[in-house]
Amino acid sequence: QVQLVESGGGLVKPGGSLRLSCAASGFTFSDYYMSWIRQAPGKGLEWVSYISDSSSNTNYADSVKGRFIISRDNVKNSLYLHMNSLRAEDTAIYYCARRRYWFDPWGQGTLVTVSS
Amino acid sequence: QSALTQPASVSGSPGQSITISCTGTSSDIGTYNYVSWYQQHPGKAPKLMIYDVSRRPSGLSNRFSGSKSGNRASLTISGLQADDEADYYCSSYTSRNTWMFGGGTKLTVL
Repeated sequence: QVQLVESGGGLVKPGGSLRLSCAASGFTFSDYYMSWIRQAPGKGLEWVSYISDSSSNTNYADSVKGRFIISRDNVKNSLYLHMNSLRAEDTAIYYCARRRYWFDPWGQGTLVTVSS
Repeated sequence: QSALTQPASVSGSPGQSITISCTGTSSDIGTYNYVSWYQQHPGKAPKLMIYDVSRRPSGLSNRFSGSKSGNRASLTISGLQADDEADYYCSSYTSRNTWMFGGGTKLTVL
């Protein structure tokens, strides 16, 4: 059964850093591109970033470019999102998802709250 | 980057059909057949319902269908059921090698 489980969310002060993790199982992780997508409380979905299967290609939404870094470890079947210079507007549930030109499946999400 | 445009809400009675629209630009929906739709129940993760404009994932009910014309995509749900009540989001690949989502549509089953 394909499963994605995020972790690492929490409360962080503005300007702080956080690393999110996504543990994948039930499929050959190294064969797939992966993405992070977020959802601010009560708001819609926002695509954040993607990484290719071999980590050779990445891209980011303008809102996080230069502050967030996506990475992966194909040995550990894990996806990461390194978030720096966090702002209040980064407060959201962060989902990891397996990516083609669509996103499926999604993890259950991890909540990041940026507040002083 | 502005989000794709969806109506904030739609409603229908059980057994009826509804259509949710999703309007983009020539840089996304108008150029690429990479439109997907997601269903999200409260407190849950989104679930893929339609991909590549009109394809259904294996096992998904054929009550759900998708289409596209120009810069506009649509999701149609026929034979409405109570469990269809949820938020629905469209998404499209863009010319910048990024993805955009719509603002979401709340479907109410009366």
